Order: sequence, then structure tokens, then C-alpha cells
Amino acid sequence: DADVTQTPRNRITKTGKRIMLECSQTKGHDRMYWYRQDPGLGLRLIYYSFDVKDINKGEISDGYSVSRQAQAKFSLSLESAIPNQTALYFCATSDSREPDTQYFGPGTRLTVL
Amino acid sequence: RKEVEQDPGPFNVPEGATVAFNCTYSNSASQSFFWYRQDCRKEPKLLMSVYSSGNEDGRFTAQLNRASQYISLLIRDSKLSDSATYLCVVNGPGAGSYQLTFGKGTKLSVIP
Repeated sequence: DADVTQTPRNRITKTGKRIMLECSQTKGHDRMYWYRQDPGLGLRLIYYSFDVKDINKGEISDGYSVSRQAQAKFSLSLESAIPNQTALYFCATSDSREPDTQYFGPGTRLTVL
Repeated sequence: RKEVEQDPGPFNVPEGATVAFNCTYSNSASQSFFWYRQDCRKEPKLLMSVYSSGNEDGRFTAQLNRASQYISLLIRDSKLSDSATYLCVVNGPGAGSYQLTFGKGTKLSVIP
């Protein structure tokens, strides 16, 4: 079984809809991250969390929110989706004892029409 | 602002060839350096960390030059399975930061 899972794996939605992407991990890591990847732009950090209830903005947090209610789960919400949020979204985890080694989930491909 | 720069490629090489990728980074306070591998439409996976003394893992050798803020990855005896995008990654932007900054990646295609 995968250590870091993401649901859904693919989602097509319409402009203005609220969307939630879920991430779960069984690695026991305390740190979790959300990234988006766009062609030609590489991975960019949206939000990160170092522990339950801890939330920090990344490079591109506008239009997104997150929730960390449990150590194993980190959810990303798009309150009102817009087409330029069409991207591949990755969740990642790391352990505070080795914080820079991040393990990624399989990704969620989101299309906003 | 280009914090981690890589040649996007693609690098098209025959099986058995040696290929080298280069990367430069702008944050002189960065302390941790990595190469990740990403297959098409898949998640990035850690390939290897990069240490100041240089390090080797089988056919892969990574080098770091802190003075020039330059990182390299050498792949010897290329295999078809090495075809992927290679991401150069450094910690930062802030000093002591545990955030990672990813390069846009260098695409490698190994041809039979």
C-alpha cells in the first residue's frame, strides 16, 4: 500500500465550484505540504504544515485554503475554482528529524472548465 | 526570480552513454541539495542527496560546488529506464528554511 495517498486522482469541475483535495499518509511524518505543478513552471509550494493545526503559506497560497485536523491528513480547498487553477497537485510529507527529504503522493489532476 | 535553474533539455542519448546535468541556485544560505526523478505524469521521487564531498550511488554521481552555487548529476552507462525528468532541489528560500525550491527539471530520453 502507498504511504502517501491522494483523493481524488482526477477531477473535472466548473468555474466557481468549491473543491477539496485530500491527502493521507501512513508514514507517521509530522510535516505535510501541498504543491502544484504546471508545464514549464515546475513545482510550487501552496501551503505547508509542521504539525496538527499548524498552517503556513507557501509561494502561491492565494485562492487556496488548507486544514490539518489530524497528523495523518492534510486537505486542500479551492473555495471558488477558476480555470488557471487547472494543474497537477501533489501532497508531500517529511519527518522533522529529516525535514528536507520529502515523499510525494501520486498527484491529483484537476481541470477547471 | 529564478532560484534554481536547470537546462530543460531534452537530452536524447543512446543507451550506454554518459550524460551530465547541471543546476545553479541563487540562495547562498541553502544547506541541503537533492536530485529528484519524475516520470511522466507521476510524482517526484528522491534520487539522491548531494553532499559537499560529492557522492555516488551506482551509476549516479552528484557533485556540489558551494562557491559557484552549482550542482551536477552524472549518469553513466545510461539505461532505457533512466528516461525521466530530473529535478534539482535546494532548501530555502529563507536561511535555515525547511521549504524546498524545485528547478523546472531536465528531461532525459535514452534511446535504444
